[in-house]
Amino acid sequence: QVQLQESGPGLVTPSQTLSLTCTVSGGSVSGGRCFWHWIRQPAGKRLEWIGRAYTGGTIEYNPSLKSRVAISVDTSKNQFSLILSSVTAADTAMYYCASVCGEMSYVAAFDVWGHGTMVTVSS
Amino acid sequence: DIEMTQSPLSLPVTPGEPASLSCRSSQSLLNRNGNNNLDWYVQRPGQSPQLLIYLASNRASGVPDRFSGTGSGTDFTLKISRVEAEDVGVYYCMHTRHTPFAFGPGTKVDIK
Repeated sequence: QVQLQESGPGLVTPSQTLSLTCTVSGGSVSGGRCFWHWIRQPAGKRLEWIGRAYTGGTIEYNPSLKSRVAISVDTSKNQFSLILSSVTAADTAMYYCASVCGEMSYVAAFDVWGHGTMVTVSS
Repeated sequence: DIEMTQSPLSLPVTPGEPASLSCRSSQSLLNRNGNNNLDWYVQRPGQSPQLLIYLASNRASGVPDRFSGTGSGTDFTLKISRVEAEDVGVYYCMHTRHTPFAFGPGTKVDIK
């Protein structure tokens, strides 16, 4: 069973770059048909899909963030990462990584979630 | 982009009673295979979201059969046949018809 764990700084200065990592255990970030996602949730607001990486190499982003976001996969560390540049207070949120693999990847967006990591943008 | 709405936003329920949650999309979620690309998730207090229903009506592994999903096109419903105390949380629908995926605002279910 795949498990995910987010990590990164809890506090980021406005205009700087946010960098988060999701470590995958119980599975391979490069194995099979898998999608690796980032989702965020500002306090009291709805969940927002940020983007996803596919094991075949395709990466897709939410157009609302596309100019500032990058998702990458590091097969040597079995991790995938999120980079968000030029952050503002509006980027303060709980950030989740999530995934779906195998047969479920044809029918659902994600069936495994990390616990989430809180990121605050403040000076 | 497809927009998602849900109603009600808050739903006080009595244990043992049924509950019905509604979700609507701004465009049809019916794909060429005849399936609807609509997932339901529940976020229990202090936890990450958990997949409940996929393709509008299929229970995810381990989900009790008191949960059922119905609907097609733009109108969908999640029903809980008999609410239990552990069902409190926020229920989100999310479309997966195409990217960008989008969530509804959520329905907060709590016990009366």
